Amino acid sequence: SQQGEEDPQALSIQEGENATMNCSYKTSINNLQWYRQNSGRGLVHLILIRSNEREKHSGRLRVTLDTSKKSSSLLITASRAADTASYFCATARYSSASKIIFGSGTRLSIRP
Amino acid sequence: ETGVTQTPRHLVMGMTNKKSLKCEQHLGHNAMYWYKQSAKKPLELMFVYSLEERVENNSVPSRFSPECPNSSHLFLHLHTLQPEDSALYLCASSQPGVTNEKLFFGSGTQLSVL
Repeated sequence: SQQGEEDPQALSIQEGENATMNCSYKTSINNLQWYRQNSGRGLVHLILIRSNEREKHSGRLRVTLDTSKKSSSLLITASRAADTASYFCATARYSSASKIIFGSGTRLSIRP
Repeated sequence: ETGVTQTPRHLVMGMTNKKSLKCEQHLGHNAMYWYKQSAKKPLELMFVYSLEERVENNSVPSRFSPECPNSSHLFLHLHTLQPEDSALYLCASSQPGVTNEKLFFGSGTQLSVL
């Protein structure tokens, strides 16, 4: 299975601190994506990084990808209470949404 | 608002009931998906409908029956469900060739089977 596995499963930090979540996967990929989910809601796409990219930024988000280690990290800088949510990595072996495989997620809590 | 609308938001049904979940997307996409999200498990792809392919996860029981009458609407028909089918059911859409790999999700239907 190419399923992504997030680490840690749960993370609690103080508002203003940086949050780092990691994702490992097993097979070669076309791209890796990060999604966010508020409790009981749908997932929202955050950022996509392709296999030939090493780092990508979007606002307070920074994603890195190390294909040799089959791992990715999502960094959220200067966290806010509104960042409290579950974060999922998803790997796509081919350039097709039907081939996207999700991990189990990291539950992030931001303490005020 | 993601442009993908799911109804109902919550559903409680008995094991002998028949119900349907509805999904509508207003994004002009031509691929739609059903996902199942159970507690502490990864999202499970159930069905895909697109111009290019129809994909069914062979592990999905026949008590779940999808219907896609057009590119904007997707249904999931439910009958004789089991308590373990209780989960959040998510609909998503994408536009192959444009937002190819990115999924747009609805808010989900929280299903409880008694």
